[in-house]
Amino acid sequence: KAGVTQTPRYLIKTRGQQVTLSCSPISGHRSVSWYQQTPGQGLQFLFEYFSETQRNKGNFPGRFSGRQFSNSRSEMNVSTLELGDSALYLCASSTSSGTDTQYFGPGTRLTVL
Amino acid sequence: AQSVAQPEDQVNVAEGNPLTVKCTYSVSGNPYLFWYVQYPNRGLQFLLKYITGDNLVKGSYGFEAEFNKSQTSFHLKKPSALVSDSALYFCAVRDFHGSSNTGKLIFGQGTTLQVKP
Repeated sequence: KAGVTQTPRYLIKTRGQQVTLSCSPISGHRSVSWYQQTPGQGLQFLFEYFSETQRNKGNFPGRFSGRQFSNSRSEMNVSTLELGDSALYLCASSTSSGTDTQYFGPGTRLTVL
Repeated sequence: AQSVAQPEDQVNVAEGNPLTVKCTYSVSGNPYLFWYVQYPNRGLQFLLKYITGDNLVKGSYGFEAEFNKSQTSFHLKKPSALVSDSALYFCAVRDFHGSSNTGKLIFGQGTTLQVKP
């Protein structure tokens, strides 16, 4: 099976702009989670979607949002970008239950200037 | 609240020697524990997990981990390190706050493993 794919791989934006990142899960996986990775804060959970519904949400401002489509593909959006949003954004997919392994994509490296 | 700690920022070992990367956890209820590895400019690769059963879990690339409930630890081990094992290693625990089916993982800060020839 193909792994988790994320597009684009690299992105450069300026403060105040907005950005949309895309994630295609492994075929058959219905759960998609998003994480932000920074040198200072490490890996932090953003949100999780399952069957087009947000199932869990991390402690991030409302500028961070996401959605999931009927084919399980997911997008996350960050509006009004700030310098501190520069990070590696990782998407992970799993089947459904809490014991299932999450498989991660290669990430999208976002740089905000 | 669930939490994970990786007490060492960096572990240095010589190639061919055994390696251990430490992880301790704090959870309410049964812990679901995972180890991932990250190479530069890459995503996380799954190594192994503990859900229930045998305390010694075997995973990918010759890695294994020992679950110790009394010490609340889940240390990653490998009998003979390779230079190619040099990477960033993360321990994680599933967060069961709220729904038992949530996919949220709580990660440790990561440990850089440096294997020298």
